Amino acid sequence: TQLLEQSPQFLSIQEGENLTVYCNSSSVFSSLQWYRQEPGEGPVLLVTVVTGGEVKKLKRLTFQFGDARKDSSLHITAAQPGDTGLYLCAGAEAAGNKLTFGGGTRVLVKP
Amino acid sequence: GAVVSQHPSWVICKSGTSVKIECRSLDFQATTMFWYRQFPKQSLMLMATSNEGSKATYEQGVEKDKFLINHASLTLSTLTVTSAHPEDSSFYICSARDEGWGYGYTFGSGTRLTVV
Repeated sequence: TQLLEQSPQFLSIQEGENLTVYCNSSSVFSSLQWYRQEPGEGPVLLVTVVTGGEVKKLKRLTFQFGDARKDSSLHITAAQPGDTGLYLCAGAEAAGNKLTFGGGTRVLVKP
Repeated sequence: GAVVSQHPSWVICKSGTSVKIECRSLDFQATTMFWYRQFPKQSLMLMATSNEGSKATYEQGVEKDKFLINHASLTLSTLTVTSAHPEDSSFYICSARDEGWGYGYTFGSGTRLTVV
């Protein structure tokens, strides 16, 4: 069974600070996705990374896929209260296969 | 972009009754859909893979007779929780992937099931 370890489990920061969430595995993934989930709603896709070493930016969010395609990170610059939520990483062994989810990181950005 | 609609968004039922949850891909066809369960403050746990026109593939530890999955068309999968008990209360979420849209999976908005 593939496992994705996500850290930290919980992060509480002040508005304006930066934060980084990590997603690590001993397995290789063909693609890795990052999602954000609000309470009572389904996860919303933020980004998909597929190439080892790939870096993608989405406004204040920067996503990186490890060279070996086993790990990934999400970095948020100048966090805002609207960034509060549950961040989930998920990997797929091959295109179309089921996703394996990390344990999630609950982020709280205080105004 | 790909849209997945899940219905109902919440349901309360009595112990012993069955509840059906629908998952529809609105603007794309999905030969495969996935059903997840999520407990409070936890991540998503895959329950089963729904395959159009064939039997679902269940994850280890998930009772197939308890959680019936039907994927009768390319745009609809249903999950029926049979003889529900309070321990079945949870947040159920479906997802599908639009193969023409890349690698990302789209999720439904989830169904909050409460069994009383």
